[in-house]
Amino acid sequence: SQKIEQNSEALNIQEGKTATLTCNYTNYSPAYLQWYRQDPGRGPVFLLLIRENEKEKRKERLKVTFDTTLKQSLFHITASQPADSATYLCALDVTNTGNQFYFGTGTSLTVIP
Amino acid sequence: GAVVSQHPSWVICKSGTSVKIECRSLDFQATTMFWYRQFPKQSLMLMATSNEGSKATYEQGVEKDKFLINHASLTLSTLTVTSAHPEDSSFYICSASWSNTEAFFGQGTRLTVV
Repeated sequence: SQKIEQNSEALNIQEGKTATLTCNYTNYSPAYLQWYRQDPGRGPVFLLLIRENEKEKRKERLKVTFDTTLKQSLFHITASQPADSATYLCALDVTNTGNQFYFGTGTSLTVIP
Repeated sequence: GAVVSQHPSWVICKSGTSVKIECRSLDFQATTMFWYRQFPKQSLMLMATSNEGSKATYEQGVEKDKFLINHASLTLSTLTVTSAHPEDSSFYICSASWSNTEAFFGQGTRLTVV
């Protein structure tokens, strides 16, 4: 069956460290992969998009990699801060239309001061 | 970024009644809108995709007669939960898109059926 799995339900790290979140998928060949942040009781907020022909994308303290051979994306937050605490979702464009996404299971990140 | 507004942000209704949720794109014309539901501590599940002026496309397992979607204009889509039951209680989120690379999400609607 088709799955989009993120490494763990919850991840706790110390402030200042780098948080690394994993998104693994099977049976898809997405043209796009996106990462979103979701705070409790709110809708997701777009963070980064990476295309299948891009290996890496950066935005300020965020970095995303996309390995289509491994069917995996890694999401890094460097110099993490307590304000980074949230749930992070990866989303795959499974129909290759560019805007129809299936979401991963999500990882709840807590940055400890 | 573009703004998508959902209304209401929360609603409580009695079992058996119908509830309408609105999703508006405030500063752009959305050719496509999506509706998701999210149960506590779970991820977003795509319910349906709607294009302006045409019938919505529902995901497998989503009852189209229960979750009525109308996308009458480029800035408004509505989701009506008909004959709501307690198991329909959930967080409903819409997203809107005009491009092929990004969708913008509303703030969500918390539905509680009592």
